[in-house]
Amino acid sequence: GAGVSQSPSNKVTEKGKDVELRCDPISGHTALYWYRQSLGQGLEFLIYFQGNSAPDKSGLPSDRFSAERTGGSVSTLTIQRTQQEDSAVYLCASSLISGGAKSYEQYFGPGTRLTVT
Amino acid sequence: QQPVQSPQAVILREGEDAVINCSSSKALYSVHWYRQKHGEAPVFLMILLKGGEQKGHDKISASFNEKKQQSSLYLTASQLSYSGTYFCGTEIETGANNLFFGTGTRLTVIP
Repeated sequence: GAGVSQSPSNKVTEKGKDVELRCDPISGHTALYWYRQSLGQGLEFLIYFQGNSAPDKSGLPSDRFSAERTGGSVSTLTIQRTQQEDSAVYLCASSLISGGAKSYEQYFGPGTRLTVT
Repeated sequence: QQPVQSPQAVILREGEDAVINCSSSKALYSVHWYRQKHGEAPVFLMILLKGGEQKGHDKISASFNEKKQQSSLYLTASQLSYSGTYFCGTEIETGANNLFFGTGTRLTVIP
């Protein structure tokens, strides 16, 4: 089956412009995550959606960042008034959470490389 | 809440063994391990739940000591395909399903 897909794969934008990054999770996966990975760095958690619950936004670095997930499927990460420090690879992941006291593997998309000039 | 990984980088010759450590200051429910090759997305290796279990996957295995809030990834008889950056992801609450990843360990296997 299809994996997690993200678009665009690359995005170059000018400082101050807004950008939207899209994530299509694996069909049926109830959980969706956004991470940011700067060059040579680890994965920085941004936001987490699970089913109809309120998203966990605790990782968003500023109020310029927001995300939504429509219909429990596709998600869009929006960065307003982009800054050069926003340049990074933005990774989306999804997982199938079926309840109970377990932990679930995450399937990652290929990422969107954002460059702010 | 970010776990600490060590070493930051390691170079091995084919056939050698390596251990990568992951340590958290928080009580953990689970530890995930992922491998990321250059320019690619991270790929899941294994999950360890609290209970001190050890898991294996071919010649890659891991342990989880919940009392010490530590996990170790063991790579034995390394192959060229093992090269990549290894990340541990820690889950600190039951049911949160939210991971905090370490900064990664870059493993290079040379012939």
